[in-house]
Amino acid sequence: TQLLEQSPQFLSIQEGENLTVYCNSSSVFSSLQWYRQEPGEGPVLLVTVVTGGEVKKLKRLTFQFGDARKDSSLHITAAQPGDTGLYLCAGPAGTALIFGKGTTLSVSS
Amino acid sequence: EAGVAQSPRYKIIEKRQSVAFWCNPISGHATLYWYQQILGQGPKLLIQFQNNGVVDDSQLPKDRFSAERLKGVDSTLKIQPAKLEDSAVYLCASSSRGIRGTHEQYFGPGTRLTVT
Repeated sequence: TQLLEQSPQFLSIQEGENLTVYCNSSSVFSSLQWYRQEPGEGPVLLVTVVTGGEVKKLKRLTFQFGDARKDSSLHITAAQPGDTGLYLCAGPAGTALIFGKGTTLSVSS
Repeated sequence: EAGVAQSPRYKIIEKRQSVAFWCNPISGHATLYWYQQILGQGPKLLIQFQNNGVVDDSQLPKDRFSAERLKGVDSTLKIQPAKLEDSAVYLCASSSRGIRGTHEQYFGPGTRLTVT
């Protein structure tokens, strides 16, 4: 059974700090996706990484896919209150997705 | 382009009652998914449709849950009878890709169900 483990589960930081969240698995994935979910809303796709070692940047967010395609990380530089939310990683399972439990990020001003 | 629509947004019922959720996917999206998201966890797939056919319902508790997608567009998810542990957010998502290849899923806002 494929599982995605995310850490940390909760993160509370001040505006301007940097942070990294992790997504790990014992299984190889053909791709991994990162979603952000705000309270009362559905998850919104941030990025898809498909190549081992790939690094993608989205403004202040940097996503990396591990060389062995078993793990991924999300780094946020100079976090802002608008970054607050639940960050989920997801990988393909057949033609659907399996999700990690997520990292709840709170950024206070 | 309109997003995935879901209704109702909130529902409170007593255990053993029945409830139904409705989803209207993005126009033209052939694939539709229902996920259950329990507080503190990531979404878990319940059922996946390709047009009006079921692709995967292996994690759907079929003794109490049912879903249909008539005419390959809108979908309804029903729970009868509800249990306390069914309290969760039910998310609908749709995708334009077929059953092969990577795909982006677009999620609706979800229905928050509370069973008392």
